[in-house]
Amino acid sequence: RKEVEQDPGPFNVPEGATVAFNCTYSNSASQSFFWYRQDCRKEPKLLMSVYSSGNEDGRFTAQLNRASQYISLLIRDSKLSDSATYLCVVNAASGTYKYIFGTGTRLKVLA
Amino acid sequence: DVKVTQSSRYLVKRTGEKVFLECVQDMDHENMFWYRQDPGLGLRLIYFSYDVKMKEKGDIPEGYSVSREKKERFSLILESASTNQTSMYLCASSFPYGYTFGSGTRLTVV
Repeated sequence: RKEVEQDPGPFNVPEGATVAFNCTYSNSASQSFFWYRQDCRKEPKLLMSVYSSGNEDGRFTAQLNRASQYISLLIRDSKLSDSATYLCVVNAASGTYKYIFGTGTRLKVLA
Repeated sequence: DVKVTQSSRYLVKRTGEKVFLECVQDMDHENMFWYRQDPGLGLRLIYFSYDVKMKEKGDIPEGYSVSREKKERFSLILESASTNQTSMYLCASSFPYGYTFGSGTRLTVV
């Protein structure tokens, strides 16, 4: 089993739709979780951290389910500009700054 | 904002050449990382460093070495470039959580 797994997609959704991605991780000792966004031929950029209590930033909501070892990203009212690859990132073990990246989920928002 | 600068955006090198990829960050971060990114494989950690002169192997260190003589600079060295090292190389720094990436170096080894 991969340490961090994501559905590669692509998820093709119309503008205005709500879309959700999940990411599963294998190490129950992981403590830090993030979602990154990567545009084509660009570097990944931090989208949001994922906290135990869940967190929201505008149209984006991230949640953590420790029991089932997955994190999720919900995007409401999708915009064309949301088209990108979304990377799930998990720290390798508690107390380490070494992170493991998922291979990403590709989102295409269609006009 | 933290800025992470990679010295080259595109590089073409010949098989067997020694290649240096430079990365500089301007926010006094202690942690720096080198990844390579390949289609279908995602980002894979090559080496990382927690402090000056300290380095640790990541998941795929073979064929690479690193140097961190100053806090702001972390260099990746390909001792003898091979075609299977053709890839996008990404440098990142962090303090302590979450990465800021450089814009990447697309290296082609011919």
